[in-house]
Amino acid sequence: DAGITQSPRHKVTETGTPVTLRCHQTENHRYMYWYRQDPGHGLRLIHYSYGVKDTDKGEVSDGYSVSRSKTEDFLLTLESATSSQTSVYFCAIRPDRRNTEAFFGQGTRLTVV
Amino acid sequence: AQSVAQPEDQVNVAEGNPLTVKCTYSVSGNPYLFWYVQYPNRGLQFLLKYITGDNLVKGSYGFEAEFNKSQTSFHLKKPSALVSDSALYFCAVRDIGIPGGYQKVTFGIGTKLQVIP
Repeated sequence: DAGITQSPRHKVTETGTPVTLRCHQTENHRYMYWYRQDPGHGLRLIHYSYGVKDTDKGEVSDGYSVSRSKTEDFLLTLESATSSQTSVYFCAIRPDRRNTEAFFGQGTRLTVV
Repeated sequence: AQSVAQPEDQVNVAEGNPLTVKCTYSVSGNPYLFWYVQYPNRGLQFLLKYITGDNLVKGSYGFEAEFNKSQTSFHLKKPSALVSDSALYFCAVRDIGIPGGYQKVTFGIGTKLQVIP
């Protein structure tokens, strides 16, 4: 999985609680992404980062925040989890911003009850 | 706005038969096109991409895809399906005409391929 580790792999949390998902890479790639995968929607971009402390919103960013204080770590925080955020979350890296493909982590299955 | 359509939720094919998974796209400029595969409980894995040049692109595990600009399609193909090819397949597109910043990749909703022994 291209040196990408997501943690935790599975989590159940209660509505209204904050949750942080971690993506760690070992390759020092500049570009990192958080996606969510839902049936009927494919993958949708939540947030992305193009360097340390450089982040921007994707298409479904409401209710999520991110931080990147080190090249290797990209954190996704659900500020106050809701049932609509029950999903599988994938982190991805891209070696450069040109024509290269992305490499994905194994995913985190999050259930909000 | 760019978009990707995968018109079939599921494709069933007998082992040994050729398979096709369909993808059509819409972008304002020229596209970069990708196919990814997802096995159960795993992340997406890159299969192949079209950037420019030959319309027939060869990728991993014997897969290939044909870029057809007039039909705005990028169908995934394999001459002889294996049971181990059973997985979820995603087509993705990026518009190379949008300058600077993040160049958005749009994914299709996925097609489940079932290869029957």
